[in-house]
Amino acid sequence: DAGVIQSPRHEVTEMGQEVTLRCKPISGHDYLFWYRQTMMRGLELLIYFNNNVPIDDSGMPEDRFSAKMPNASFSTLKIQPSEPRDSAVYFCASSRGEMNTEAFFGQGTRLTVV
Amino acid sequence: AQSVTQPDIHITVSEGASLELRCNYSYGATPYLFWYVQSPGQGLQLLLKYFSGDTLVQGIKGFEAEFKRSQSSFNLRKPSVHWSDAAEYFCAVAPTGFQKLVFGTGTRLLVSP
Repeated sequence: DAGVIQSPRHEVTEMGQEVTLRCKPISGHDYLFWYRQTMMRGLELLIYFNNNVPIDDSGMPEDRFSAKMPNASFSTLKIQPSEPRDSAVYFCASSRGEMNTEAFFGQGTRLTVV
Repeated sequence: AQSVTQPDIHITVSEGASLELRCNYSYGATPYLFWYVQSPGQGLQLLLKYFSGDTLVQGIKGFEAEFKRSQSSFNLRKPSVHWSDAAEYFCAVAPTGFQKLVFGTGTRLLVSP
């Protein structure tokens, strides 16, 4: 398996633009997580899905952020409109349904909003 | 709420020396505990995890960690550090039965020749 695949690896956008980050989880994994990593706040869980259904989105910072999982093999995290403070590395991770088995992380998308 | 404290932001160790990275957690019961490593520009890789049983857990790359309930700690150790171990290390906790991981702020390990 190729692991969790995220695209793009790097994204530079201007303030106010819409940004869409993409994630393909490992086949057979039914949990998918979106994390954000910044120097100031470390790694924060934004939202996670189970069987394509959002379970906990309490970490989503504000309404400008939205996440979808239309099927078991694809998820998006969208920021509209983007702001400079959204600059961070965004990680997607997936895991199987057994309790607290290993979460496999993608390589992340480094987002820079100028 | 659960929390994880990694008191050391940076640690420098000579190659071949032993290593201990500290992790303390705050939670009412015994959570599931994890150590992840992040190399520059990469995602996180699981080193080891503790769910129950033997409190000394062996992981990959020669790492081990010991769960001490009385101290609410889960410190990571390695007897002899290699230059390739230079990375950032994250301790994480998950409440029993839940998938949601709470990460510490990380410890950056530097390895000197």
